[in-house]
Amino acid sequence: DAMVIQNPRYQVTQFGKPVTLSCSQTLNHNVMYWYQQKSSQAPKLLFHYYDKDFNNEADTPDNFQSRRPNTSFCFLDIRSPGLGDAAMYLCATSPIGDISYNEQFFGPGTRLTVL
Amino acid sequence: GQNIDQPTEMTATEGAIVQINCTYQTSGFNGLFWYQQHAGEAPTFLSYNVLDGLEEKGRFSSFLSRSKGYSYLLLKELQMKDSASYLCAVSDSNYQLIWGAGTKLIIKP
Repeated sequence: DAMVIQNPRYQVTQFGKPVTLSCSQTLNHNVMYWYQQKSSQAPKLLFHYYDKDFNNEADTPDNFQSRRPNTSFCFLDIRSPGLGDAAMYLCATSPIGDISYNEQFFGPGTRLTVL
Repeated sequence: GQNIDQPTEMTATEGAIVQINCTYQTSGFNGLFWYQQHAGEAPTFLSYNVLDGLEEKGRFSSFLSRSKGYSYLLLKELQMKDSASYLCAVSDSNYQLIWGAGTKLIIKP
């Protein structure tokens, strides 16, 4: 089945220790998104890729970086995680075809704990 | 600024009907989505409205009024498994989704 996969599902890291979250997709969608979601809050868009074009949200901290080496994979790097970065990180994809209908398909998420 | 408002929490009884409202103010409008999110899981797509009116899909229906900046999600014949958060999201002029904080729906037997 075509899908969005995130690994790991649960990640524990130490305060200040770099961590990388990964996302892969078999949908062949052009657009990939990274969201941060804290409990009872809306998903917060961190950045997105339209093919290889990287788009950073203005309020995304420099501590967060992303890489998209090919269509299928996208990585979120947190260079020095703080306690406030503990959250669910959601990867989503979207096709660009009928641009007025941009449903986003989500992976299962990675829950990050910072100790 | 851009804003999506929906109630924080609602409670309903198994077998009943519940309506979850969403109002929005965004720069441009290219459709409104409803997503369901169970605790600790990713959002899953429920419905999409871009024209005014009601879209029905089984037990779930979604309504849109663009002139009022208003939508609702109607859930019928509630089941315990419908306990979840329901997120309203609007596609803005840049085709980015602006998300509401979600409505936590609690179903009681």
